[in-house]
Amino acid sequence: GQQLNQSPQSMFIQEGEDVSMNCTSSSIFNTWLWYKQEPGEGPVLLIALYKAGELTSNGRLTAQFGITRKDSFLNISASIPSDVGIYFCAGQLITNAGKSTFGDGTTLTVKP
Amino acid sequence: DAGVIQSPRHEVTEMGQEVTLRCKPISGHNSLFWYRQTMMRGLELLIYFNNNVPIDDSGMPEDRFSAKMPNASFSTLKIQPSEPRDSAVYFCASKGQGMNTEAFFGQGTRLTVV
Repeated sequence: GQQLNQSPQSMFIQEGEDVSMNCTSSSIFNTWLWYKQEPGEGPVLLIALYKAGELTSNGRLTAQFGITRKDSFLNISASIPSDVGIYFCAGQLITNAGKSTFGDGTTLTVKP
Repeated sequence: DAGVIQSPRHEVTEMGQEVTLRCKPISGHNSLFWYRQTMMRGLELLIYFNNNVPIDDSGMPEDRFSAKMPNASFSTLKIQPSEPRDSAVYFCASKGQGMNTEAFFGQGTRLTVV
């Protein structure tokens, strides 16, 4: 089946620094999604991307859908302590009735 | 909307007991997904339903696991008999109709089988 490679696996950064993480796949997706999960909670959708090349922002977060449809990145600018959590990418194919394939997550730690 | 509602939030049970996890999807959503999350395997899709019909249950680990969706507003995931290796956080997610829609997750049920 389809697999996503998400990197880095973890990041330790200082408050105020910018963060970048990405996902790559061996096959194409029609939709890329980025979720954030905090301890004891379910993943919460941050950004959804529907078109190759699309660049979308949500506050300090920016994500792009790669031109090849096989990759996506998420950037967080000027990180703050509440950005701590696990960030997941997910890819969806129309033919799979919207089933998402998830990456293994990037654990972000922000030091004040 | 209250979002996807799962119950219970925590469940501790003894090996061999039956466990039933419950999910109420977001009203109007027609797809429902059950995921399991562990440190070792991350987020795994167990089964998903479209319009109350199971579409793909290839992720269900064993016959001890079963899921039902008797109507558009309720689904259950049952483990019978439960085993310690079933300990995990189980998430339910729902999704609306159409191409450009995303899945919304519940808060999960943390299951511990001792």
